[in-house]
Amino acid sequence: GAVVSQHPSWVICKSGTSVKIECRSLDFQATTMFWYRQFPKQSLMLMATSNEGSKATYEQGVEKDKFLINHASLTLSTLTVTSAHPEDSSFYICSARTLQDSLEDTQYFGPGTRLTVL
Amino acid sequence: EDQVTQSPEALRLQEGESSSLNCSYTVSGLRGLFWYRQDPGKGPEFLFTLYSAGEEKEKERLKATLTKKESFLHITAPKPEDSATYLCAVCRLVFGAGTILRVKS
Repeated sequence: GAVVSQHPSWVICKSGTSVKIECRSLDFQATTMFWYRQFPKQSLMLMATSNEGSKATYEQGVEKDKFLINHASLTLSTLTVTSAHPEDSSFYICSARTLQDSLEDTQYFGPGTRLTVL
Repeated sequence: EDQVTQSPEALRLQEGESSSLNCSYTVSGLRGLFWYRQDPGKGPEFLFTLYSAGEEKEKERLKATLTKKESFLHITAPKPEDSATYLCAVCRLVFGAGTILRVKS
């Protein structure tokens, strides 16, 4: 149980284009989803927390107008990188917290999306 | 500010050579300490959650322990497939930098 998927796995785009990444909880409902970014040989950095039906909460230093997050349902959250630039190239990972685990804070991670902006 | 420090940064072991990874933390009110395993190019895989000092959890060759200031991930008789980056995290998942483990056969 507790499987999280992401789509796409890889994306290469030109500078200035927008890229949408989907995160789905496949076998459970997730009231809260998290988006992380990971640069090579570095640990995961939390970008934002999204709750179903409400606006996302962004971490300090993360531009909310650049990284648009939509958590439209209990099984789907999307991250849109708007007007992507080469410095946005990174490994983006989402995670989801189950309703049952809401008191335990255990998060289950997706496989990640590798974004390369040329 | 919550902080997590992992050591060593990298660890090379021979197959069967047991060792421990350390995770030191500073938090205001621990709501759980988490261990994850991450393989290259993949998302972290959940291993353990520990909530209180003295707690221990085991899974195959791995055992996690917790004190008031740190957690240890003990690896007993590791195999090459145990090679990965091991991450610990606290609270809202403030991650340590990870320990890269390489097990040679």
